[in-house]
Amino acid sequence: GENVEQHPSTLSVQEGDSAVIKCTYSDSASNYFPWYKQELGKGPQLIIDIRSNVGEKKDQRIAVTLNKTAKHFSLHITETQPEDSAVYFCAAFGGYQKVTFGIGTKLQVIP
Amino acid sequence: EPEVTQTPSHQVTQMGQEVILRCVPISNHLYFYWYRQILGQKVEFLVSFYNNEISEKSEIFDDQFSVERPDGSNFTLKIRSTKLEDSAMYFCASNWDREGQPQHFGDGTRLSIL
Repeated sequence: GENVEQHPSTLSVQEGDSAVIKCTYSDSASNYFPWYKQELGKGPQLIIDIRSNVGEKKDQRIAVTLNKTAKHFSLHITETQPEDSAVYFCAAFGGYQKVTFGIGTKLQVIP
Repeated sequence: EPEVTQTPSHQVTQMGQEVILRCVPISNHLYFYWYRQILGQKVEFLVSFYNNEISEKSEIFDDQFSVERPDGSNFTLKIRSTKLEDSAMYFCASNWDREGQPQHFGDGTRLSIL
């Protein structure tokens, strides 16, 4: 089955700096890769996603890149703000509805 | 913006008892999901549901678990003979289409088994 590795597990950055979270997946059939932000006491909220036919996608301060050959994808947050502090999960969908999540990255943005 | 709502937010149950977790998916969505997140661990897929039947389930979703859509709005997860290791956050999610469509998550039910 699919295996998704995510790192780092924790990340501290100064406000205004960039944050990068990386994930790798094992199943070459995976074709959809969402990123979720989870705040304390809340469910995961989709922040950006990318499909296998696209190499990069950007939405304001958030961007995601995908390298299908290497089977890795990354989340980039620029100009970080304190409200970006949360746990971020990557996920990979390997056909139909089967989904595998990464372990999560706790991002702390220091004012 | 429409939301997935889950009740209760926290459920405390004695080991061995049955528990039902409830979810109201977004009204025009057709695909429904349950996930589990043990404290400090990753979110794990349990089951997906479409057209009144299970479409996919993980190895976690054994005979102890069942799902049901008893009416046009609710989607429930039943856990029979609860065990200590069932303690976790349980998230419901829904989307209007399958395969590569964003899923909308509820805020979860924290299940504590004593």
